[in-house]
Amino acid sequence: QVQLQESGPGLVKPSETLSLTCTVSGGSVSSGSYYWSWIRQPPGKGLEWIGYMHYSGTTNYNPSLRSRVTISLDTSKNQFSLKLSSVTDADTAVYYCAREPLGSGWQPNWFDSWGQGTLVTVSS
Amino acid sequence: EIVMTQSPATLSVSPGERATLSCRASQSVSSNLAWYQQKPGQAPRLLIYGASTRATGIPARFSGSGSGTEFTLTVSSLQSEDFAVYYCQQYNNWPPLTFGGGTKVEIK
Repeated sequence: QVQLQESGPGLVKPSETLSLTCTVSGGSVSSGSYYWSWIRQPPGKGLEWIGYMHYSGTTNYNPSLRSRVTISLDTSKNQFSLKLSSVTDADTAVYYCAREPLGSGWQPNWFDSWGQGTLVTVSS
Repeated sequence: EIVMTQSPATLSVSPGERATLSCRASQSVSSNLAWYQQKPGQAPRLLIYGASTRATGIPARFSGSGSGTEFTLTVSSLQSEDFAVYYCQQYNNWPPLTFGGGTKVEIK
């Protein structure tokens, strides 16, 4: 059974870059059958999809965040990462990594496995 | 962007009773809809995909229905462990993939 675990700083200063890593066990980020995704949830609020990456290099980002987001894969470490630049208070949230089965025609689907989440607070 | 609207925001139900949650899409998403359950301090858990297919290990008391713009999640007989927040998510049109605002099911 696949497991995902987020890691990274819990505190980031405004205007700096948020960097998180998701370590995958029990599965491989090199699998062509999945997108590897990031989702966030501000305290007390709902879920917001950030973006995903496929082993082939295909990425897709939320248009509202696209100018600030980069998702990458490290197959040697079986990890994928999120970088979000120029953060503000509005980026304070629990950040989840998740796995998304690939549909026909490269369609994204539902999120079938999630990490436990990590709280990132943006504050000086 | 497809906007997902869930209702009600809060649903008060007694254990053993039936709970019916609604999710509406701003345009058709066909059957490309999933439901998740989230308990405090935990990650969301996949319950339903394809509008009506239960995920692995999900009890039969959870059922999903609907297509197009109107969807329903039904919990036939609420157990204590079912009190949580429930989210719907569409994956028909992207980017972005979008979630509803959630329905909190609380003990009456």
